[in-house]
Amino acid sequence: EAQVTQNPRYLITVTGKKLTVTCSQNMNHEYMSWYRQDPGLGLRQIYYSMNVEVTDKGDVPEGYKVSRKEKRNFPLILESPSPNQTSLYFCASSAKDSLGTEAFFGQGTRLTVV
Amino acid sequence: GESVGLHLPTLSVQEGDNSIINCAYSNSASDYFIWYKQESGKGPQFIIDIRSNMDKRQGQRVTVLLNKTVKHLSLQIAATQPGDSAVYFCAVPTRDTGRRALTFGSGTRLQVQP
Repeated sequence: EAQVTQNPRYLITVTGKKLTVTCSQNMNHEYMSWYRQDPGLGLRQIYYSMNVEVTDKGDVPEGYKVSRKEKRNFPLILESPSPNQTSLYFCASSAKDSLGTEAFFGQGTRLTVV
Repeated sequence: GESVGLHLPTLSVQEGDNSIINCAYSNSASDYFIWYKQESGKGPQFIIDIRSNMDKRQGQRVTVLLNKTVKHLSLQIAATQPGDSAVYFCAVPTRDTGRRALTFGSGTRLQVQP
């Protein structure tokens, strides 16, 4: 089954404690990205990756890092989480020959930073 | 850049009725539009898309209409069912050079009354 898998689904952490949210896709997609979803603001792109070792900033990259060492994985790293990073996070992937759409989304990770 | 807005935050319909969800976009150069459905606790799921060289596209119980003159698109769901209850987003691809992202509207929550 084609899917994008995120872990964990839920996470509560304290300010300043480094964390990583993992994302893996089994569709051999070149493109992957991270979005955060906040009430009234919709989904906003944090970072994206066009292929292995190629990453770049999206609309709201501050406070986040990513890496793309393998095609299937695209972890999101919060080096020093702050309460304003409390949000619902989605990883997405799409094929290089798609029409620029992020057709496959993960189930989401709800992060709370206290 | 693009901006996308939805006309109603919530739409309540009776089971069996038709639903119409509206969306407006700002960039007249936008040439591709996508509708996503997000059920509670899940990530956005692709429903249907349409290119700007089309006015209408039909899927299974869903139809998307595009009016480029007024920069408006709509999603019509025929014979709405309880399983259609979700938040619906329209989205357009971002056109930054080399970047792949989607600009999402704020979403319309569809509530289906039995």
